[in-house]
Amino acid sequence: GAVVSQHPSWVICKSGTSVKIECRSLDFQATTMFWYRQFPKQSLMLMATSNEGSKATYEQGVEKDKFLINHASLTLSTLTVTSAHPEDSSFYICSATTGGGYGYTFGSGTRLTVV
Amino acid sequence: AQSVSQHNHHVILSEAASLELGCNYSYGGTVNLFWYVQYPGQHLQLLLKYFSGDPLVKGIKGFEAEFIKSKFSFNLRKPSVQWSDTAEYFCAVNEGNNQGGKLIFGQGTELSVKP
Repeated sequence: GAVVSQHPSWVICKSGTSVKIECRSLDFQATTMFWYRQFPKQSLMLMATSNEGSKATYEQGVEKDKFLINHASLTLSTLTVTSAHPEDSSFYICSATTGGGYGYTFGSGTRLTVV
Repeated sequence: AQSVSQHNHHVILSEAASLELGCNYSYGGTVNLFWYVQYPGQHLQLLLKYFSGDPLVKGIKGFEAEFIKSKFSFNLRKPSVQWSDTAEYFCAVNEGNNQGGKLIFGQGTELSVKP
């Protein structure tokens, strides 16, 4: 079945540094990838939608300069949290789809802790 | 804008009890509907989905859901739960004419099954 690999699974970084999270579709080509943020005991909040080769579409309230998304190939999207602050600490989850009713495959998530 | 509401925040059941988790959405057009499960420490897994056809959808692990268009609902059911069903359950919706479009999630329902 479809598999999405997300790396790293957890990361601790110092305030002010940047962190990159990778999301790879291992056995299919993902035309679209989505990035979500999940707070403890809460739902997944969509941050942005990225299509291969084009700029990401950010949801209202999400700072595009802080959460840089790159979708350079059909199998890889990256989320870079720039100048991270403790309030950016969260669980980040990516999802990939080929569209056309195929459905969505989710990565295992990245726990980011900013100290 | 679309929204998804899950009324039950935390449900506690004994093994063999029947389960019904509510999900309502607000969107006037055609929708695709999904139920996902997130076991502790694991990624989201698809339980079932509805695109069209029979409004009663059978999923994995004995789960089913019924789409009632007039009530904007897609409730999840299982006749007899097991301890292993302990997890977080999310209802999600996207626009039906774009099956690879962004998914909007409900708040999630935590299910605890007592042995």
